[in-house]
Amino acid sequence: DAGVIQSPRHEVTEMGQEVTLRCKPISGHDYLFWYRQTMMRGLELLIYFNNNVPIDDSGMPEDRFSAKMPNASFSTLKIQPSEPRDSAVYFCASSSALGQGGNYGYTFGSGTRLTVV
Amino acid sequence: QKEVEQNSGPLSVPEGAIASLNCTYSDRGSQSFFWYRQYSGKSPELIMFIYSNGDKEDGRFTAQLNKASQYVSLLIRDSQPSDSATYLCAVLSNFGNEKLTFGTGTRLTIIP
Repeated sequence: DAGVIQSPRHEVTEMGQEVTLRCKPISGHDYLFWYRQTMMRGLELLIYFNNNVPIDDSGMPEDRFSAKMPNASFSTLKIQPSEPRDSAVYFCASSSALGQGGNYGYTFGSGTRLTVV
Repeated sequence: QKEVEQNSGPLSVPEGAIASLNCTYSDRGSQSFFWYRQYSGKSPELIMFIYSNGDKEDGRFTAQLNKASQYVSLLIRDSQPSDSATYLCAVLSNFGNEKLTFGTGTRLTIIP
């Protein structure tokens, strides 16, 4: 099991540029989550998918952020245009059902450290 | 009021002692509770979960849940320097909504 795979590990970009973060979930996991982590705000849920369908995107900060999951093995988080305040570590996580007794928790990827200058 | 609150620390504990980490949550209907450990520069990793009132033990770790008081705690017995990390409490509000809400974490340092 390769775990949740994220790319790139580090991204440095200039303000105004488009940034695309990628995630491959664990095979067989039905849920995929995108989180952002900063010192000030901790881990914040941006959006999550169930069976490739976006379920809750209420955490997406603004229209500059978008996420897609075209198939069960791939998801992207795009920021366009990027701003310095988007600098953070972005984690992707996947899971099978958490509720109804299936309390398996999430498995996180290694994260992408984004710096917007 | 934050949905999930933790003391940010840092919490310093001598090696071999018991480390006690606490977490409170605001949604009384919350169903399941998770503890994650995050080493500096790494991703969170699941340590334990609990959904029934009382204690749940796994090796040196014990999770305690009190739904009436809306708190969950993590005890680490025989603390080791390798336990030095940030510990994140996470809460699942209700079944059918699979998103976890995380606290901001408590930084634990084990002093040799």
